[in-house]
Amino acid sequence: NAGVTQTPKFQVLKTGQSMTLQCAQDMNHNSMYWYRQDPGMGLRLIYYSASEGTTDKGEVPNGYNVSRLNKREFSLRLESAAPSQTSVYFCASEMTGFEQYFGPGTRLTVT
Amino acid sequence: QKEVEQNSGPLSVPEGAIASLNCTYSDRGSQSFFWYRQYSGKSPELIMSIYSNGDKEDGRFTAQLNKASQYVSLLIRDSQPSDSATYLCAVNYDDYKLSFGAGTTVTVRA
Repeated sequence: NAGVTQTPKFQVLKTGQSMTLQCAQDMNHNSMYWYRQDPGMGLRLIYYSASEGTTDKGEVPNGYNVSRLNKREFSLRLESAAPSQTSVYFCASEMTGFEQYFGPGTRLTVT
Repeated sequence: QKEVEQNSGPLSVPEGAIASLNCTYSDRGSQSFFWYRQYSGKSPELIMSIYSNGDKEDGRFTAQLNKASQYVSLLIRDSQPSDSATYLCAVNYDDYKLSFGAGTTVTVRA
């Protein structure tokens, strides 16, 4: 079991470029999440998917879109990257009971 | 988004001592509480969950919950250098969502 995997591990973008962060889980979990983590601010929820076929906004959704491709995969897209989106992005998944398991993260720098 | 506050660090404890971490939350409706450990440059790792008032022990870790006071704590007994990390408190709100505190960094000195 690989758990939750994320690609890429690191990425540098120029302002205005687009990219998609990929996330996959092999634990047969129903719910998946995207967070960003900035120094001193903890983890903030960007989007989540309670089940295959559904997605909902979290606390900081502006500038992002998501796709729940199937039960395993949940991608996060930045259409036009901005320096304010420089952060570490974590994907997480959960079966029930709010116990979330995190992927290794993607460190994104927007210049 | 609901507020989750953790005591500001860093917290430095000698090896073998007890590290005490505190967390308060704003949503009285919250029912599920978690502690995550995050090593520098790594992802958060779930170490404790607690759902009922009282204490829950798992090895050297004890989580304590007081819903009336909206307070949850984590005790690390016999602290080891490997416990040096940032500890995140997380509390559920609404359906499917967790709110995280900013974290408390613990350093265990040999």
